[in-house]
Amino acid sequence: EADIYQTPRYLVIGTGKKITLECSQTMGHDKMYWYQQDPGMELHLIHYSYGVNSTEKGDLSSESTVSRIRTEHFPLTLESARPSHTSQYLCASSEGDPRSYGYTFGSGTRLTVV
Amino acid sequence: RKEVEQDPGPFNVPEGATVAFNCTYSNSASQSFFWYRQDCRKEPKLLMSVYSSGNEDGRFTAQLNRASQYISLLIRDSKLSDSATYLCVVNRGAGGFKTIFGAGTRLFVKA
Repeated sequence: EADIYQTPRYLVIGTGKKITLECSQTMGHDKMYWYQQDPGMELHLIHYSYGVNSTEKGDLSSESTVSRIRTEHFPLTLESARPSHTSQYLCASSEGDPRSYGYTFGSGTRLTVV
Repeated sequence: RKEVEQDPGPFNVPEGATVAFNCTYSNSASQSFFWYRQDCRKEPKLLMSVYSSGNEDGRFTAQLNRASQYISLLIRDSKLSDSATYLCVVNRGAGGFKTIFGAGTRLFVKA
């Protein structure tokens, strides 16, 4: 059973559409993250949050935005999807400092922009 | 050169074999290390932490060599269910916390 939930699992959408990828966790973790992963490649951090009303951009330049209005919810929004956004998006949370606790990942959203 | 490097494999081994993967990291300020397992088209799952003193969990043993800047994962008595991609993860704290994921080593265990 998952403690961190992502929806949708798969999404195929046309260029220019606005999309929101949902992520919710039931563990009460303050720290939440969005990673992007292409097949056979490393995960790259695109956004993170250390608590409500706290959001930061990660290492990978991204045209997406995030919000953190509630502890359990960390949605990611793309205002205008492009084929270059095609990728897998993984949401994660951490009980504390990930250097000590590691990450718990959601099952991911596989996005295809046509 | 990437900060964390892994042999992509694939490693093809028979059931019951012992297999070992290495992962090298370039930043000497790296503080903590993990191995994650990722099944095909699934999310990564934490397998184990890696300590200088070594860490064993059943058939899995992880080691850290700070002098040579690499970590290793040893799997004994391989099972079909061990087939997956194993990700090396390195955390460093200097200049702000950062997690670096390796691209992974693919393992196929054959009957």
